[in-house]
Amino acid sequence: EPEVTQTPSHQVTQMGQEVILRCVPISNHLYFYWYRQILGQKVEFLVSFYNNEISEKSEIFDDQFSVERPDGSNFTLKIRSTKLEDSAMYFCASSLRGARTDTQYFGPGTRLTVL
Amino acid sequence: AQRVTQPEKLLSVFKGAPVELKCNYSYSGSPELFWYVQYSRQRLQLLLRHISRESIKGFTADLNKGETSFHLKKPFAQEEDSAMYYCALFMEYGNKLVFGAGTILRVKS
Repeated sequence: EPEVTQTPSHQVTQMGQEVILRCVPISNHLYFYWYRQILGQKVEFLVSFYNNEISEKSEIFDDQFSVERPDGSNFTLKIRSTKLEDSAMYFCASSLRGARTDTQYFGPGTRLTVL
Repeated sequence: AQRVTQPEKLLSVFKGAPVELKCNYSYSGSPELFWYVQYSRQRLQLLLRHISRESIKGFTADLNKGETSFHLKKPFAQEEDSAMYYCALFMEYGNKLVFGAGTILRVKS
């Protein structure tokens, strides 16, 4: 069964550095997402992406964040200048069409630690 | 505001006992609700959703619009059911999921 993959599994960075988290969604899916989960807190929506543009973003997704689909397979989340509070597990997800009846399939997550 | 509430952080039961994981939601539109499960060191995966009305691994969940609930139930818990369970609400605006805080289910032998 196809799966969403994410790399790296764990990223450690210094505050102020840029990080890029990578995801490969399921190949025939059209809707892509990033969620994050700060330790001990809820899984929170960050951004949804469809047809090469942001569909919606949360208030967390400020100017420090950006997403891109640089080629036909990868979907990336960039944090320009990381802060301590960006430390979290970041999940990528994809769904077939983004419809309410579609399942969102999640990747295994990237644990980001900002020192 | 749209919200999903899972009141229990931890639910601990003995093997063979019935399980009910509570989920309440607040949503102005027609709700589409899901239960996701995360086993130890694994990814979030869909367990079931209300629209399919099926039983997966012995679990069922019924949408009760009057009580705005979508509780997850299983008549006889098994040790392999031990995991984190998340209730999630689909939001049409942005096609995104809003998650509850999650409930850890521990099934003791």
